Amino acid sequence: NAGVTQTPKFRILKIGQSMTLQCAQDMNHNYMYWYRQDPGMGLKLIYYSVGAGITDKGEVPNGYNVSRSTTEDFPLRLELAAPSQTSVYFCASSDNPLDPQFFGPGTRLTVL
Amino acid sequence: KNEVEQSPQNLTAQEGEFITINCSYSVGISALHWLQQHPGGGIVSLFMLSSGKKKHGRLIATINIQEKHSSLHITASHPRDSAVYICAVRFSGGSNYKLTFGKGTLLTVNP
Repeated sequence: NAGVTQTPKFRILKIGQSMTLQCAQDMNHNYMYWYRQDPGMGLKLIYYSVGAGITDKGEVPNGYNVSRSTTEDFPLRLELAAPSQTSVYFCASSDNPLDPQFFGPGTRLTVL
Repeated sequence: KNEVEQSPQNLTAQEGEFITINCSYSVGISALHWLQQHPGGGIVSLFMLSSGKKKHGRLIATINIQEKHSSLHITASHPRDSAVYICAVRFSGGSNYKLTFGKGTLLTVNP
């Protein structure tokens, strides 16, 4: 099993550009999460999904969108990149919301 | 406000030392997680606790619900234990899906 995979590992964007961060898991988990990690801060939940077709906002959703068309994939979309979105983004999944989460390796995004 | 505080922020130890990292939280919780973030960035879940104590190898996690406090202990520390250790809690009465994370404790174990 590959677990949770994320692409790309690194990306530099210019202000106003858009991009999609990819996340996939092969553990047949229903629950998937997107977090951002800023220097010196705890992880913050951006969006989460409880199953294919069902998504909801987390703590810091502004500037992001998600979709969940399959159990395996949970892409995160940045429409108009801003310097405040410079961060490391982690995708995670779990079998149910009370279980430990499995994390992907992260995507380091810089917006200049 | 629901908060998670970790101490210390940074910890340097010599190989073989006993390590303690602390986590305190502001209100009642339904579960507490300890995670390890490697220098390369990957995050791994170590423990999930709702009461008592759990042990895995040289790692021990304890929680005191009344005092709203948890500790992560590492016995016979080794340089490969060098990492950021993160505490995260699910507050009672809140969303089942939301974990609140501490800022992490950076542990460096020197040979």
